[in-house]
Amino acid sequence: KAGVTQTPRYLIKTRGQQVTLSCSPISGHRSVSWYQQTPGQGLQFLFEYFSETQRNKGNFPGRFSGRQFSNSRSEMNVSTLELGDSALYLCASSRTGREETQYFGPGTRLLVL
Amino acid sequence: QKEVEQDPGPLSVPEGAIVSLNCTYSNSAFQYFMWYRQYSRKGPELLMYTYSSGNKEDGRFTAQVDKSSKYISLFIRDSQPSDSATYLCAFTQGGSEKLVFGKGTKLTVNP
Repeated sequence: KAGVTQTPRYLIKTRGQQVTLSCSPISGHRSVSWYQQTPGQGLQFLFEYFSETQRNKGNFPGRFSGRQFSNSRSEMNVSTLELGDSALYLCASSRTGREETQYFGPGTRLLVL
Repeated sequence: QKEVEQDPGPLSVPEGAIVSLNCTYSNSAFQYFMWYRQYSRKGPELLMYTYSSGNKEDGRFTAQVDKSSKYISLFIRDSQPSDSATYLCAFTQGGSEKLVFGKGTKLTVNP
């Protein structure tokens, strides 16, 4: 069974630009969560989607948004990029989101210059 | 008080050593306790998961939970160079609640 895939793996953007990251969950998984990982703050929860609905949201500004499609694939968007948005963005999937076992993708490393 | 505290290390041990990794937490609502392993440039990989106080063993790995002290541990027996990674503790209240992670402990096992 294929794991969680994320594209692109690496991105370089400049301040003020926007970026869209993509996540394809494990087949049959309907819950997708996004996390931001930085050396200073560690792994922090961004949001969770299930059946195309945002079910849970972390403490990030409105510049961070996401969506989920009917095939459970998810995208997250960051608008008006800031230097502090440089991070590894990870997505994780699970069947219903009510299990405690989430499976992570390899992440997208975003560098904002 | 931080919700989760984890010593970032780094921790360096010789091959074959017993490794002890620890986290403390303050949120009494946490019901599920996990350890993830993250290799460099990879996503976290679930190692152990438990929801009760006590020990859970899986091969060379033992997870220990003490809910009364709000303290969890991961023990690695007969450590191998391939165990060199960052180990993250994680907690959740269950349901669709988010995972709350420690900042990770970087472990190096020297051959």
